[in-house]
Amino acid sequence: DIQMTQSPSSLSASVGDSVTITCRASQSISSSLNWYQQKPGKAPNLLIYAASSLQSGVSSRFSGSGSGTVFTLTIIGLQPEDFATYYCQQSYSTLYTFGQGTKLEVK
Amino acid sequence: QLQLQESGPGLVKPSETLSLTCTVSGGSIRSSSYYWGWIRQPPGKGLEWIGTIHYSGSTHYNTSLKSRVTISVDTSKNQFSLKMSSVTAADAALYYCARLISGWNYFDYWGQGTLVTVSS
Repeated sequence: DIQMTQSPSSLSASVGDSVTITCRASQSISSSLNWYQQKPGKAPNLLIYAASSLQSGVSSRFSGSGSGTVFTLTIIGLQPEDFATYYCQQSYSTLYTFGQGTKLEVK
Repeated sequence: QLQLQESGPGLVKPSETLSLTCTVSGGSIRSSSYYWGWIRQPPGKGLEWIGTIHYSGSTHYNTSLKSRVTISVDTSKNQFSLKMSSVTAADAALYYCARLISGWNYFDYWGQGTLVTVSS
């Protein structure tokens, strides 16, 4: 199975900052990488699919890039509602796998 | 607006079978464009994909859970279900059902989740 590794596991930032989260795949997955945001007590919410396509209704503060084995999620101009946990998910194999998550906290 | 709702016992005894159902409303489960999936999240931990099913009955299962998991679909009720046998404390989690966009393979609609505790 394809393993997904996110870094960092946690991240502290302030409102207005820009942050980048990295997701690495154990093998090449082309651009088959999705990003989700999860807030406490809520189901995950799709942000980015196919590495860089913004899901409808998602703020343009979020952007994704990468291909092959290394991917990034960037959030510019952090807003209070952006402090949450972020997960990547590979969709290259139908044996889907998620990264372990990155918790974005207020500094 | 599509909605998914998980239902089932919140408490399961060790070694018994966990059974959950996801009811889909606001749309048909009978579409070639979607798969329907189960994902779980132990308290305070990350997301684990369990498996997915197409309305035709085609399934994919997590390798580590495959021997204990069965996902089925009932198109007449617009529902799909999860059965997991021989549960242990490690299976205690919040269980989500979700819709997978076939081809792109991302989960775009999720249920609110249902908490399953494993205890005698």
